Amino acid sequence: ILNVEQSPQSLHVQEGDSTNFTCSFPSSNFYALHWYRWETAKSPEALFVMTLNGDEKKKGRISATLNTKEGYSYLYIKGSQPEDSATYLCAFKGGSYIPTFGRGTSLIVHP
Amino acid sequence: SAVISQKPSRDICQRGTSLTIQCQVDSQVTMMFWYRQQPGQSLTLIATANQGSEATYESGFVIDKFPISRPNLTFSTLTVSNMSPEDSSIYLCSVDSGQGVTDTQYFGPGTRLTVL
Repeated sequence: ILNVEQSPQSLHVQEGDSTNFTCSFPSSNFYALHWYRWETAKSPEALFVMTLNGDEKKKGRISATLNTKEGYSYLYIKGSQPEDSATYLCAFKGGSYIPTFGRGTSLIVHP
Repeated sequence: SAVISQKPSRDICQRGTSLTIQCQVDSQVTMMFWYRQQPGQSLTLIATANQGSEATYESGFVIDKFPISRPNLTFSTLTVSNMSPEDSSIYLCSVDSGQGVTDTQYFGPGTRLTVL
């Protein structure tokens, strides 16, 4: 059983704050690391896929980094907005094309 | 990308009954995936549904409990049989982007099931 951990479990921030959260995964047999955003009552939506150690991806105010040697990825949100409120999921692929998901970080941005 | 719809969006069911969830994709796909997220838990793959063959179930999931149909390349159903409160979850249908190791999952909006 692959262990994919996300922290924190939930996070409350004020509008305009910058925030970050972590996904940790096994450092062996790494294939890819995905980040998804899941808003309530909507479909999970892909944010990033990263495959190489040191990868950095950016989409607007959201960015992600990857460290495959130590087995972690960070997701950063700069200047959080209420519409960023969602659960952020990471999914690890290691030794298989089937992703193993973390439990997610629930972000609530207060106006 | 793929657009996926699911029915029903939510349901409240009695213990011992069964519920069939439908998933429709706007394009033809080889594999469709069924996931479950129990409260406070991670999204977990139940099974992979291939058109024209038996579904492949992950460890801990069996066909008698979660029978799957895949009659064509755009549609699948998942039945949750003989339900108990432990089956209360969000059930998601998914397809992938077909890019190999960097495959992105496209998900339906989910079916929120509560079993009383």
